[in-house]
Amino acid sequence: KNEVEQSPQNLTAQEGEFITINCSYSVGISALHWLQQHPGGGIVSLFMLSSGKKKHGRLIATINIQEKHSSLHITASHPRDSAVYICAVRRGGADGLTFGKGTHLIIQP
Amino acid sequence: DGGITQSPKYLFRKEGQNVTLSCEQNLNHDAMYWYRQDPGQGLRLIYYSQIVNDFQKGDIAEGYSVSREKKESFPLTVTSAQKNPTAFYLCASSIETSGRARDEQFFGPGTRLTVL
Repeated sequence: KNEVEQSPQNLTAQEGEFITINCSYSVGISALHWLQQHPGGGIVSLFMLSSGKKKHGRLIATINIQEKHSSLHITASHPRDSAVYICAVRRGGADGLTFGKGTHLIIQP
Repeated sequence: DGGITQSPKYLFRKEGQNVTLSCEQNLNHDAMYWYRQDPGQGLRLIYYSQIVNDFQKGDIAEGYSVSREKKESFPLTVTSAQKNPTAFYLCASSIETSGRARDEQFFGPGTRLTVL
């Protein structure tokens, strides 16, 4: 079993829909990251969380440390949000990140 | 503009040849990382370096080597001992805080290596 599991693996939605991507992890962590990867391969960091909730524009990320679970929400989704969204954790006491396999999101006009 | 550069974007090599991937950052970050991405799998850590002249193996270091002679540069050599070198390679960096790299990681654009 992977240390970081994401769901769903693939998600297709219509423009304007509210999107939720889930991430569960099985190890102790010091931080959780949400990343966005576009078709060209470049990765952009969206959020780094250790507790609670963060919001940036139409993106919201939450984390529940007790349940070892995080969610990424996209409100009023748009075709330009189409990308692979990756959850990654920094294990407690370790360097480098452990990554989920990603969620491939397609927003149709 | 500050950022991380990786070159080249696409690289082709014959089987049995060593190849070095470049990673340069001008963010004044202490910590640098190399990750590998394969289709259907999450990124995996190859090597990381917290300070100049020091580096540590990650989860899949076999068949790879690195150096950290300058703060700005962290080149990765894919040796002929790496059994499946064809992959997408990403370099990242972060500020190091209190002896541990706890901060946001910034990623380069990646190098897609194909071994023929």
